[in-house]
Amino acid sequence: VVMTQSPLSLPVTLGQPASISCRSSQSLLYSDGNTYLSWFQQRPGQSPRRLIYQVSNRDSGVPDRFSGSGSGTDFTLKISRVEAEDVGVYYCMQGVYWPPVTFGQGTRLEIK
Amino acid sequence: VQLVESGGGLVKPGGSLRLSCTASGFTFSDHYMHWIRQAPGGGLEWIARITDTGSATYYADSVRGRFTISRDNTKNSLYLQMNTLRAEDTAVYYCARDPDTSNKVDYWGLGALVTVSS
Repeated sequence: VVMTQSPLSLPVTLGQPASISCRSSQSLLYSDGNTYLSWFQQRPGQSPRRLIYQVSNRDSGVPDRFSGSGSGTDFTLKISRVEAEDVGVYYCMQGVYWPPVTFGQGTRLEIK
Repeated sequence: VQLVESGGGLVKPGGSLRLSCTASGFTFSDHYMHWIRQAPGGGLEWIARITDTGSATYYADSVRGRFTISRDNTKNSLYLQMNTLRAEDTAVYYCARDPDTSNKVDYWGLGALVTVSS
């Protein structure tokens, strides 16, 4: 399954919203009724950190300015008000059709 | 949850290297585990997964037959034996925890850099 993110580069003004799209080549709705799409943040020089799982569930400690939505093949990660600490690369990931687990190409968020 | 990789370094093409990942802060033997790599300036590439007991393993086509994932639950450790290394294997290698076999990946280690160069 191919995961396609857009845009690949996202300059955003501090305090403004940001949105990243992720599309999968096949529906990520699993036979158990759940959709297994996760979002990860990788800050410069750090390991990836999971933000969102099963489309819209925030991990513990993730600020509520991050939200995930979508269904089937189209998904979105939104940041309501971008802060300086949000700079980094964001990846979507699917775990339904594996192996292999597949990631999007990554979206680089920078402050304008 | 803490995952710490070790064993990275510089190796010549055709050579071998063994990475280790030491886990703490959770019951290691309850979880499947993964190795995922990231080439310099590149994206994330999943390369291997092992079940909780180590009875089954899965590989990406790019490493199948050259890399072997294994684990020792008595030592809370995950391993990646890498043979016949190529320049394109140069990457930071992360071990990652599988939370529940459906969501596949949650926590990541700090990473270990492997450089394949003559």
